[in-house]
Amino acid sequence: DAGVTQSPTHLIKTRGQQVTLRCSPKSGHDTVSWYQQALGQGPQFIFQYYEEEERQRGNFPDRFSGHQFPNYSSELNVNALLLGDSALYLCASSLVQLSYNEQFFGPGTRLTVL
Amino acid sequence: KQEVTQIPAALSVPEGENLVLNCSFTDSAIYNLQWFRQDPGKGLTSLLLIQSSQREQTSGRLNASLDKSSGRSTLYIAASQPGDSATYLCAVRVWGKEYALNFGKGTSLLVTP
Repeated sequence: DAGVTQSPTHLIKTRGQQVTLRCSPKSGHDTVSWYQQALGQGPQFIFQYYEEEERQRGNFPDRFSGHQFPNYSSELNVNALLLGDSALYLCASSLVQLSYNEQFFGPGTRLTVL
Repeated sequence: KQEVTQIPAALSVPEGENLVLNCSFTDSAIYNLQWFRQDPGKGLTSLLLIQSSQREQTSGRLNASLDKSSGRSTLYIAASQPGDSATYLCAVRVWGKEYALNFGKGTSLLVTP
């Protein structure tokens, strides 16, 4: 049973560019959350998707947007990249009825903005 | 806004020692509290989850306690091993925004042989 998978593993972009990160939830899960973890910091909640809708959002600008597909996989899009967007981006999945409790995290995508 | 603080930021102990990691939070209106482990450059692994109505949870050599009224949690690791070396993160869910985990910065633990 595959856990949460994320692609790509690493990514290098330049300021002003746009980036798309991808996440496939654990088998059977229907809810996906995204977190940003800067070096030496704890993860910060970006948003959560369920039934292809964003149902809660953290304190992130509109440059951060997402999408959830009918197969429950998800994308995180970041526009107009800034140096400060360099971080490890983590995806977590859960079952909607357990989303207040169990969340399984993927290995993350390391984004470097030059 | 919920603030989560973890002390110490880093800790180095010899193998076999018992140790305590501390977590404090500013808003006691939490839904639950969770301890995670993160290995360098990797994702998070859930260790223990304590609901707001509970006082502690145990799993193997790990024991986590919760004192909601004082805004504190501790993670106790018994008989530490080199394989326990990792960063330990504390996270809380707040009533009304339960989908989001609010994390501390973590405690970096090194257990030396």
